[in-house]
Amino acid sequence: KAGVTQTPRYLIKTRGQQVTLSCSPISGHRSVSWYQQTPGQGLQFLFEYFSETQRNKGNFPGRFSGRQFSNSRSEMNVSTLELGDSALYLCASSSVAGDENIQYFGAGTRLSVL
Amino acid sequence: GQSLEQPSEVTAVEGAIVQINCTYQTSGFYGLSWYQQHDGGAPTFLSYNALDGLEETGRFSSFLSRSDSYGYLLLQELQMKDSASYFCAVSRGSTLGRLYFGRGTQLTVWP
Repeated sequence: KAGVTQTPRYLIKTRGQQVTLSCSPISGHRSVSWYQQTPGQGLQFLFEYFSETQRNKGNFPGRFSGRQFSNSRSEMNVSTLELGDSALYLCASSSVAGDENIQYFGAGTRLSVL
Repeated sequence: GQSLEQPSEVTAVEGAIVQINCTYQTSGFYGLSWYQQHDGGAPTFLSYNALDGLEETGRFSSFLSRSDSYGYLLLQELQMKDSASYFCAVSRGSTLGRLYFGRGTQLTVWP
């Protein structure tokens, strides 16, 4: 079974630009969560999508948005990039079935904002 | 809100045993997970506890005490490849995709 795939792996943008990151979850997983990881703040939750609906949202400004498609693939978008948006963006999928909440992470997209 | 506390750094030598503690404050607690992340890599799932007690998976064990809001990850027979960051994470429901992560513990294993 293929793992979680995130594209692109690396991205360099300048302030004010926008960016779209993509995540393909494990086949059969309907929940996709996004996290931002920085050395200073650790892993911070951005949002979770389940069956094309945003189910949870973290404390990030409206510049951060996402969506999920009918095949469970997800995208997140960051508009009007700021220097502080430089981070590793991780996507995780889970089956949300059964008793365990195990999240499977992709390798991430490392975004650098210049 | 939710908060998880774990040590920022731990060091040990090969073959030793190390314990990484995690205390949490959260509403609606359902389970405690542990993830390992090597530099530049993706976090990978190690262990999960929903009930009090010890769960053993090879060289790794995880413990949970719900009454104390406390858990730990025990790594035995340490190897150099165990050098990584270890995160505890709380889930508030089995069907909810969101996890609340601690800041991570950097484990360094010396030869």
